[in-house]
Amino acid sequence: AQSVTQLDSQVPVFEEAPVELRCNYSSSVSVYLFWYVQYPNQGLQLLLKYLSGSTLVKGINGFEAEFNKSQTSFHLRKPSVHISDTAEYFCAVSYTGGFKTIFGAGTRLFVKA
Amino acid sequence: EAGVAQSPRYKIIEKRQSVAFWCNPISGHATLYWYQQILGQGPKLLIQFQNNGVVDDSQLPKDRFSAERLKGVDSTLKIQPAKLEDSAVYLCASSSTLGTHTDTQYFGPGTRLTVL
Repeated sequence: AQSVTQLDSQVPVFEEAPVELRCNYSSSVSVYLFWYVQYPNQGLQLLLKYLSGSTLVKGINGFEAEFNKSQTSFHLRKPSVHISDTAEYFCAVSYTGGFKTIFGAGTRLFVKA
Repeated sequence: EAGVAQSPRYKIIEKRQSVAFWCNPISGHATLYWYQQILGQGPKLLIQFQNNGVVDDSQLPKDRFSAERLKGVDSTLKIQPAKLEDSAVYLCASSSTLGTHTDTQYFGPGTRLTVL
């Protein structure tokens, strides 16, 4: 069965520091990968997605993620975070031939001044 | 464009009572999803509609949960009777195409249900 593992439940970081949020998935077939962000009291919104092509995907708000098929990973990065990036981040995966998107448990990013 | 609307935003009920949630997707979006998000976990798909037909309801506890999307637009999710373990945020999302694996989903703000 497919699964998504977000390796860190919470990541505290100082403002302007770089950050990496880790995501691993399990699958033996082609996958499509997503990162969503959930700001306090708001719904989830898409940051970026990987469907095919370049393994480095750029998203909104300066975030990017790299698809690594051999390591079955899709880590999210930002070179310099802001206070406003404080939110919960969800990695998600879906697969060819299916409709369902499976979400990880989330990583809470807390940016400190 | 207006986003996905959900109501109510918060609901507190006692176990064995019934409750209903409403969702209005983005105009023109054919696919509608209901997710359950338990505290500390990611969203779990309960049911997916394509227009007014059900695409996937494999994780919907059908003995107590029901959902409908009669006119292919807005949708209601009902729980009857509620159990303590139903306490969660219920998220509605919609997407514009055929509900396939590459779609971007647009989420509403959710309904937080507390069952006492």
